[in-house]
Amino acid sequence: NAGVTQTPKFQVLKTGQSMTLQCAQDMNHEYMSWYRQDPGMGLRLIHYSVGAGITDQGEVPNGYNVSRSTTEDFPLRLLSAAPSQTSVYFCASQRGANSPLHFGNGTRLTVT
Amino acid sequence: AQSVTQPDIHITVSEGASLELRCNYSYGATPYLFWYVQSPGQGLQLLLKYFSGDTLVQGIKGFEAEFKRSQSSFNLRKPSVHWSDAAEYFCAVFTGGGNKLTFGTGTQLKVEL
Repeated sequence: NAGVTQTPKFQVLKTGQSMTLQCAQDMNHEYMSWYRQDPGMGLRLIHYSVGAGITDQGEVPNGYNVSRSTTEDFPLRLLSAAPSQTSVYFCASQRGANSPLHFGNGTRLTVT
Repeated sequence: AQSVTQPDIHITVSEGASLELRCNYSYGATPYLFWYVQSPGQGLQLLLKYFSGDTLVQGIKGFEAEFKRSQSSFNLRKPSVHWSDAAEYFCAVFTGGGNKLTFGTGTQLKVEL
């Protein structure tokens, strides 16, 4: 059981570079979401999706784009990285709106 | 807007001692409540959840939590802590509408042998 798979595990970017964080789940979950985790701030929702072709903004969406072309994949794009985006990013999936989240192991991103 | 407060940033307990981690939420109706645990370098794992019914819920690894509506609390407890319980614990509340799960800022648990 792979569950939720995130790649890469670690990434270093220079300011202004772009990149895509990958997230895939094999549980056929409709709901997927991206969180960032910063010390003392818990997890904050960036974007989420309630099904293929449907995405919406969370609490901290600025600087990030998402798309959901398939049920399995939910990539997160940083268009022009900034040092404020240095964080640990978690992708999660869930069967329904109030179902428990299944998390990936995270991507640690550093922007210099 | 809903919010979740975990007032203790760090807690240290001795192995074998009892544990209680506090969680308070702000929401007008009865929310769905969760506790997650995060081991170093890992994602979060669900410990337990409360949706309705019995206000004392049992979870994995010997944890339990009690929902107290009058206090807007959902404290996590364990009668006897093991060294492997050292981790960060997050309380979360879901209040409906899309995928809006709000997390507390976490409590870091250290277990002394």
